[in-house]
Amino acid sequence: DAKTTQPPSMDCAEGRAANLPCNHSTISGNEYVYWYRQIHSQGPQYIIHGLKNNETNEMASLIITEDRKSSTLILPHATLRDTAVYYCIVREYTGGFKTIFGAGTRLFVKA
Amino acid sequence: GAGVSQSPRYKVAKRGQDVALRCDPISGHVSLFWYQQALGQGPEFLTYFQNEAQLDKSGLPSDRFFAERPEGSVSTLKIQRTQQEDSAVYLCASSPSGGSKYFGPGTRLTVL
Repeated sequence: DAKTTQPPSMDCAEGRAANLPCNHSTISGNEYVYWYRQIHSQGPQYIIHGLKNNETNEMASLIITEDRKSSTLILPHATLRDTAVYYCIVREYTGGFKTIFGAGTRLFVKA
Repeated sequence: GAGVSQSPRYKVAKRGQDVALRCDPISGHVSLFWYQQALGQGPEFLTYFQNEAQLDKSGLPSDRFFAERPEGSVSTLKIQRTQQEDSAVYLCASSPSGGSKYFGPGTRLTVL
């Protein structure tokens, strides 16, 4: 598995953009970057994924560096409900697409 | 509802008891996963099914843990002779293809 490194916690003001970094320097060419988040007492929720191009959906944007060794998840206008643990994952394929979670980044959105 | 459901949501067991945790995946989803999440940590992979076939059980911590999905839809995770270290949230996820996963709310197991 390619391992990921994320800061343990971050703060963001409500209404501002939240930029969550992730390092995955050992990613291989066919591995995708996935982001999930987990709000307190809920199961993880899929946010977005990408291979090498930047991606955007209704929840967030994903910026992947050209060398693919790092990425940034952007929540363009953070709200209090975005307070959660955010997991950056490099998807391993072992015939089952086993997803390995790390410790994630705990994002606190403050009013 | 259209999401993954799990039951019970909370389970308290005495040490040594057997427990069974149920997962109802999203209809039509081929892949089903079980994860264990200890307090303050990320989810850890336990096992994976594709339809009724258990293709990966490398994460099951001991032979006291057993999972089945006999008809390729509902799955049950069984833990025999529960121990205190089994206390955790057990998460089930399903996926149409094994990529993006849809998680249930989890079952919080407390072993006394």
